[in-house]
Amino acid sequence: GAVVSQHPSRVICKSGTSVKIECRSLDFQATTMFWYRQFPKQSLMLMATSNEGSKATYEQGVEKDKFLINHASLTLSTLTVTSAHPEDSSFYICSARQGRQETQYFGPGTRLLVL
Amino acid sequence: QKEVEQDPGPLSVPEGAIVSLNCTYSNSAFQYFMWYRQYSRKGPELLMYTYSSGNKEDGRFTAQVDKSSKYISLFIRDSQPSDSATYLCAMRRGAGNKLTFGGGTRVLVKP
Repeated sequence: GAVVSQHPSRVICKSGTSVKIECRSLDFQATTMFWYRQFPKQSLMLMATSNEGSKATYEQGVEKDKFLINHASLTLSTLTVTSAHPEDSSFYICSARQGRQETQYFGPGTRLLVL
Repeated sequence: QKEVEQDPGPLSVPEGAIVSLNCTYSNSAFQYFMWYRQYSRKGPELLMYTYSSGNKEDGRFTAQVDKSSKYISLFIRDSQPSDSATYLCAMRRGAGNKLTFGGGTRVLVKP
């Protein structure tokens, strides 16, 4: 149990285009989902926290107009990178938590390359 | 200074040896402590979860928390080449709060 999927696993896009990444909790209802980005050989940096049906809470320094997060259902959250630039190239990982449980379950990540 | 410090490694050990990992932290409000394993280009996988101080054992893994020293450890016994990965410590203040990660330690177990 407690499986989180992400789609796509890899995406290459041209600079200026928008990319949508999906995060799904497959066998539990995720009241809270988190979006992280990870640069090579670095740790995970929290970008935003989203609760189902509410606006996402963004971490300091993360542009909410650039990284659009939607958590419309208890099993799906999406991250849209708008007007992507090469510096947005990174590994994006989501995680999901049910209620106020202690454990977060992570997705397999999405590698974004912006040319 | 980062809230959570972790030696980046790499830590290279022969197969069968004990792997010893640790993190130090500065925020005394942290109460929940976790260790995650992350293989290259994959998402983190939860290995151990502990609350407050003490020890916890699960198979080949032992997690220790010393809140008085703000120091947590993970030990991997009888290490295998498949244990080669990056190990991330993570912690948070209370239930429902966000996780704060260490930078990760890369471990190489040589056959």
